Amino acid sequence: SQTIHQWPATLVQPVGSPLSLECTVEGTSNPNLYWYRQAAGRGLQLLFYSVGIGQISSEVPQNLSASRPQDRQFILSSKKLLLSDSGFYLCAWTVWDRGADEQFFGPGTRLTVL
Amino acid sequence: EDKVVQSPLSLVVHEGDTVTLNCSYEVTNFRSLLWYKQEKKAPTFLFMLTSSGIEKKSGRLSSILDKKELFSILNITATQTGDSAIYLCAVAGAGSYQLTFGKGTKLSVIP
Repeated sequence: SQTIHQWPATLVQPVGSPLSLECTVEGTSNPNLYWYRQAAGRGLQLLFYSVGIGQISSEVPQNLSASRPQDRQFILSSKKLLLSDSGFYLCAWTVWDRGADEQFFGPGTRLTVL
Repeated sequence: EDKVVQSPLSLVVHEGDTVTLNCSYEVTNFRSLLWYKQEKKAPTFLFMLTSSGIEKKSGRLSSILDKKELFSILNITATQTGDSAIYLCAVAGAGSYQLTFGKGTKLSVIP
């Protein structure tokens, strides 16, 4: 069966510090991978998605970046965090040939920038 | 730009009540509409509705899709405290890798 992992679960970082969140998927090959941010009252905002190694599509211009160094690994990064980066970050995956259908979410990382 | 609007934004009901959650959408070349339940962490998948499957049911939960009027409803009968959660609606367009989510409906079921 497929599982998706995210870490850390919670993170408190000062403004201006770097960020690295990691997501890995087990039990499937060549998944489509997604990073979302959920802020209070704003729903799920798609940040990045990837359909293959090294392929990243950005949906929202910001100070965040994503990378996919391996088939089942997706990393969200920032060089300098802003207060507005606080939120709940979710990684998700879908079967590669099913587009956006039935996305399965990881447990999330709650980021607080102070 | 694809758009999803959910209503109401929040709802408080008593155990045993029946609730209806609404989702209206605009999407280019509709492919599917999905419902998720989010408790404290990750959203969990409930239903997917497509042109070939406009009605789904699982236990006390059911959902229908009206492709003509561009909306979907999620019904929960005989609500329980465990149904308390945020319910998210999302849509996907043909050929797209993305889901567009609504802001969700926060349901609180009180004993």
